[in-house]
Amino acid sequence: AQSVTQLGSHVSVSEGALVLLRCNYSSSVPPYLFWYVQYPNQGLQLLLKYTTGATLVKGINGFEAEFKKSETSFHLTKPSAHMSDAAEYFCAVHWGKLQFGAGTQVVVTP
Amino acid sequence: DTGVSQNPRHKITKRGQNVTFRCDPISEHNRLYWYRQTLGQGPEFLTYFQNEAQLEKSRLLSDRFSAERPKGSFSTLEIQRTEQGDSAMYLCASQQGMNTEAFFGQGTRLTVV
Repeated sequence: AQSVTQLGSHVSVSEGALVLLRCNYSSSVPPYLFWYVQYPNQGLQLLLKYTTGATLVKGINGFEAEFKKSETSFHLTKPSAHMSDAAEYFCAVHWGKLQFGAGTQVVVTP
Repeated sequence: DTGVSQNPRHKITKRGQNVTFRCDPISEHNRLYWYRQTLGQGPEFLTYFQNEAQLEKSRLLSDRFSAERPKGSFSTLEIQRTEQGDSAMYLCASQQGMNTEAFFGQGTRLTVV
């Protein structure tokens, strides 16, 4: 069965440090790939997506992600964390339907 | 365009009662999804529609759950004989095509007491 896995349910980073959130999918056919963010008491909103073309995609708030077909991965990064990045992040894949990973909670410490 | 709208925002019901939630998607979107989310978890897929056709329903979903999208516009999700384990946030999302952004509503928070 197709699945999406996010490594690490909680990540703590210092303000100004690199943010790295991992996402892997299991499929022989690359799906469409998305990262969503959910701030406390708010709905999900799109950070970025990969469908076709350039494998490094840039999103909002300084986030970017790279699609690596050979590694079946779509990891999310941000060079310098800001306090406002504290939220839950979800990787999602589209194989006919949109399916989400379990999420990674990001805590940013001063 | 007012985005995806879900009603009610909150629902408290007694165990055994039936509840119905409504989702109004973005008007030109042909795909509509229902998800369930509990604290600390990702959205769990329940079902989705393309226009009025229900294309897939999660195998984990009890027969107490049913969804409709009668004219390919709004959708309803009904839970019959609610149980405490049904307490969760129910999310609706709409999308125009598979490779586009899915827009989410604010959700309906169900509490079964």
